[in-house]
Amino acid sequence: AQKITQTQPGMFVQEKEAVTLDCTYDTSDPSYGLFWYKQPSSGEMIFLIYQGSYDQQNATEGRYSLNFQKARKSANLVISASQLGDSAMYFCAMRGTQGGSEKLVFGKGTKLTVNP
Amino acid sequence: NAGVTQTPKFRILKIGQSMTLQCTQDMNHNYMYWYRQDPGMGLKLIYYSVGAGITDKGEVPNGYNVSRSTTEDFPLRLELAAPSQTSVYFCASSRPYSGGRFTDTQYFGPGTRLTVL
Repeated sequence: AQKITQTQPGMFVQEKEAVTLDCTYDTSDPSYGLFWYKQPSSGEMIFLIYQGSYDQQNATEGRYSLNFQKARKSANLVISASQLGDSAMYFCAMRGTQGGSEKLVFGKGTKLTVNP
Repeated sequence: NAGVTQTPKFRILKIGQSMTLQCTQDMNHNYMYWYRQDPGMGLKLIYYSVGAGITDKGEVPNGYNVSRSTTEDFPLRLELAAPSQTSVYFCASSRPYSGGRFTDTQYFGPGTRLTVL
């Protein structure tokens, strides 16, 4: 079974600083995808970044980068130059690619607060 | 493109009532999903569909039913509503493979906040 663990219920960061949100995963699938989603207080789920298990390089999307360490089964999200609008819940998720693996498994989330 | 749209945005039901949550996507995605999010928790998969006419159970399917008669629409039916079904419901869609690469980014609707009293 697939499992996502986010051990930080809440994180605080000063505006313009970088912050790392932790995510570890467990799966027996040889091929899988890792995702980060942002959920602001308005409630919608916003896709941020994707990392494939066989991708050679760590994924980056603007101020977001994914620190993928396959041997340690971690997929931490790094947000550079934090902005007040980054305050939100952040969810790590994983999907396998084997049969019956159409399910996206989510962690419990980390609440990020950016202080001015 | 409107993306994924859901109706209604809010709904209050009495115990035992039934209702259908509507979900439509205009991105020609073959995969569609229904999730629920309880307070302070991540999302849990209720049902999913890999194409018109094909549906399957997720992690928490009890008390719900789905159908997928078209690529665009994936309604979720609640029969005999119970207080345990008070939650925020998200519909999502995806196309797992694009350009020969597995990507499967899921795009979410705005959610439906359901309260069962």
